[in-house]
Amino acid sequence: DAKTTQPTSMDCAEGRAANLPCNHSTISGNEYVYWYRQIHSQGPQYIIHGLKNNETNEMASLIITEDRKSSTLILPHATLRDTAVYYCIVSGGSQGNLIFGKGTKLSVKP
Amino acid sequence: GAGVSQSPRYKVAKRGQDVALRCDPISGHVSLFWYQQALGQGPEFLTYFQNEAQLDKSGLPSDRFFAERPEGSVSTLKIQRTQQEDSAVYLCASSLVQGAGGYTFGSGTRLTVV
Repeated sequence: DAKTTQPTSMDCAEGRAANLPCNHSTISGNEYVYWYRQIHSQGPQYIIHGLKNNETNEMASLIITEDRKSSTLILPHATLRDTAVYYCIVSGGSQGNLIFGKGTKLSVKP
Repeated sequence: GAGVSQSPRYKVAKRGQDVALRCDPISGHVSLFWYQQALGQGPEFLTYFQNEAQLDKSGLPSDRFFAERPEGSVSTLKIQRTQQEDSAVYLCASSLVQGAGGYTFGSGTRLTVV
């Protein structure tokens, strides 16, 4: 599976948009971009995924560049409960195994 | 149940002891994964089941680790002769659709080997 690169940590003010970047320059044509987050002492939680079109759901928006080499997860109005480690994962094999990196630790501050 | 259930939530084992960790996936979910998460690290893949078939066990760190899912639902991860380096959170995830993302994870079992 392709590897991803994410910043180690980010801060965001409560109520503002949180924009989390991810680079995946070696992504192949059939691979999806997935985002999960992990709040302390819990298992990872699925947020959103996409192939090449931008996606939006009740939790977040996913913006994928036209060349698919990078993407941004957007939390439109961050709350304190959004403080977590956010993982960007590229996967598309028939097995669908997810390979996690170290993710981005997002701290939402009042 | 509504989610993936793992038990026990916490387990302390003496070095050399055998342990068994249980995962109850969401009913009807075909795919089941086990991950190991060391402190401060992302989860690392251990093994994958499609129904009762173990299709990939390449992530199991040694032959002391064994996983089964005999009836295609509940799965057990067994660790024999535990060692201190086995201390980690063990996560289980399941998915309805074969080979797709959007997995539901359990809260994990925190194993501490003393």
